[in-house]
Amino acid sequence: AQKITQTQPGMFVQEKEAVTLDCTYDTSDPSYGLFWYKQPSSGEMIFLIYQGSYDQQNATEGRYSLNFQKARKSANLVISASQLGDSAMYFCAMRYMEYGNKLVFGAGTILRVKS
Amino acid sequence: EPEVTQTPSHQVTQMGQEVILRCVPISNHLYFYWYRQILGQKVEFLVSFYNNEISEKSEIFDDQFSVERPDGSNFTLKIRSTKLEDSAMYFCASSEAGRKTPLHFGNGTRLTVT
Repeated sequence: AQKITQTQPGMFVQEKEAVTLDCTYDTSDPSYGLFWYKQPSSGEMIFLIYQGSYDQQNATEGRYSLNFQKARKSANLVISASQLGDSAMYFCAMRYMEYGNKLVFGAGTILRVKS
Repeated sequence: EPEVTQTPSHQVTQMGQEVILRCVPISNHLYFYWYRQILGQKVEFLVSFYNNEISEKSEIFDDQFSVERPDGSNFTLKIRSTKLEDSAMYFCASSEAGRKTPLHFGNGTRLTVT
């Protein structure tokens, strides 16, 4: 069964420091996509970054980067130079290509940035 | 930037009543979805819709639920007879074709069943 695991229910980081949010997944499909979303306290879901299973390089998008380790089945989100506005819930999600177009979400990690 | 819009932002209903949650997906998107999130918890897939029919649904999406695209722009989720446990945030999302394309979510409708 396909599964996304985010083991950190909550994380703290000091402003301007980097933080890594963990995500592991379980699939036997060779083709899949990994997505990270941010959900601020206002509730909307904001797409941050995408990594494909066949992508040779780790994805980067501004201050966001993905530490993709395919053999370990992990896709950790790295946020550099944390800002107070980064305080939010972060969800890892997976699209299993063999099983339609939906995204399956992990349980999320709450990040709090301290000043 | 185009966005997914959902109405209403908050709906309060009594148990047993029918509710319709409305969504306007991004106009050139082909795939439409409903997800729900019980307060502070996981985002759960309900249903996906493509080419005017359901392409996939979860165990949550039982006979109480239905979806419809009544015209070229709206996408609705109907809950026939609401239960207390249907109280949640309901998100509509849409996406283009292609495995790399993200889902674009609306701001959600908070449904409270009393």
